[in-house]
Amino acid sequence: GQSLEQPSEVTAVEGAIVQINCTYQTSGFYGLSWYQQHDGGAPTFLSYNALDGLEETGRFSSFLSRSDSYGYLLLQELQMKDSASYFCALGGATNKLIFGTGTLLAVQP
Amino acid sequence: ETGVTQTPRHLVMGMTNKKSLKCEQHLGHNAMYWYKQSAKKPLELMFVYSLEERVENNSVPSRFSPECPNSSHLFLHLHTLQPEDSALYLCASRGTGGSDGEQFFGPGTRLTVL
Repeated sequence: GQSLEQPSEVTAVEGAIVQINCTYQTSGFYGLSWYQQHDGGAPTFLSYNALDGLEETGRFSSFLSRSDSYGYLLLQELQMKDSASYFCALGGATNKLIFGTGTLLAVQP
Repeated sequence: ETGVTQTPRHLVMGMTNKKSLKCEQHLGHNAMYWYKQSAKKPLELMFVYSLEERVENNSVPSRFSPECPNSSHLFLHLHTLQPEDSALYLCASRGTGGSDGEQFFGPGTRLTVL
């Protein structure tokens, strides 16, 4: 089967940089996605890595290393509105997503 | 309306009731998904529809029955549910454009089974 592990909670201060890690076990996948979900809201897509390396989208960057079965989401210049849950997800056939356990990010002033 | 919509937003039902959840997408997408999100657990994929054909059933109990009458609508029919089925049920869709890892989610239906 497939499984993804993330830290359950991360705390950081406004303006700082935070990294949310994701380690996974799988026999094969197409890419690693990251989603943000505010409390009571729908998950929203942030970033996708099909290849190893860093993808940058504004304040958010995502990294993938297939050889290490590892990825991370990097959030820069943290803002209070970034307080949310963040999920990594493996993409597979039929474009299905298998989600990780989720990381609750708390941004403090 | 734009995006992915779900109705109802909240639903309380007894174990003997029959109800249906509705999902509608106005994005021209050709794949739709049902996920279950329980407290303290990852989002769990339930069903995948591609071009209105079910292509994946992720070992979901038969008390959950999906239906996809056309590419814009997806239903989840519920009957004789159990209290442990209480959760947030999320619908998502995906098209052929955009990033490969991108799905568009609806706001979900918060289901409580008494």
